Amino acid sequence: EAQVTQNPRYLITVTGKKLTVTCSQNMNHEYMSWYRQDPGLGLRQIYYSMNVEVTDKGDVPEGYKVSRKEKRNFPLILESPSPNQTSLYFCASSPWRGLAADTQYFGPGTRLTVL
Amino acid sequence: RKEVEQDPGPFNVPEGATVAFNCTYSNSASQSFFWYRQDCRKEPKLLMSVYSSGNEDGRFTAQLNRASQYISLLIRDSKLSDSATYLCVVIHRLYKYIFGTGTRLKVLA
Repeated sequence: EAQVTQNPRYLITVTGKKLTVTCSQNMNHEYMSWYRQDPGLGLRQIYYSMNVEVTDKGDVPEGYKVSRKEKRNFPLILESPSPNQTSLYFCASSPWRGLAADTQYFGPGTRLTVL
Repeated sequence: RKEVEQDPGPFNVPEGATVAFNCTYSNSASQSFFWYRQDCRKEPKLLMSVYSSGNEDGRFTAQLNRASQYISLLIRDSKLSDSATYLCVVIHRLYKYIFGTGTRLKVLA
């Protein structure tokens, strides 16, 4: 089954404790992306990756890191989480169509609470 | 001004009604447009792409107006199962997706 998986689905942690949220897709998509969703603000892009070893900042990259060492995986790293990073996080992937990315497929989401 | 703007609603409509949503975008260089559906705190799922010529998928019709910089979604014969949040998505550079904050629809029995 074609899918994007994220782990963990739910996480409660404390300020400053490093964490990683994993994201994996089995569709051989070139493009992958991380979003956070907050009430009233909608989905905001954190980082994206156009291919292996190619990443770039989205709209809200502060406090996050990513890596793309393999095509299928795109982990999101919070080196020192803070309460303002409490949010619902989505990973997404997309194939390329010609010169542009296309429809995104989303993972089920990770609900993160930072105390 | 936000890059992509949607009326947050909620739109409360009876079953069988026709309802329309608009989404405006600010960047005239925007290239691709989509409507996604999101059920409560679940992942967004593609509803339909939006083409310049307009497109229809069953009860759903999407239109793009480049001159006025908006896209629209029309839902005919609303069903209870259409209750969700509808997200407008715009790609204005090759790699950057901009999401609207969504319009909530509630279809009432």
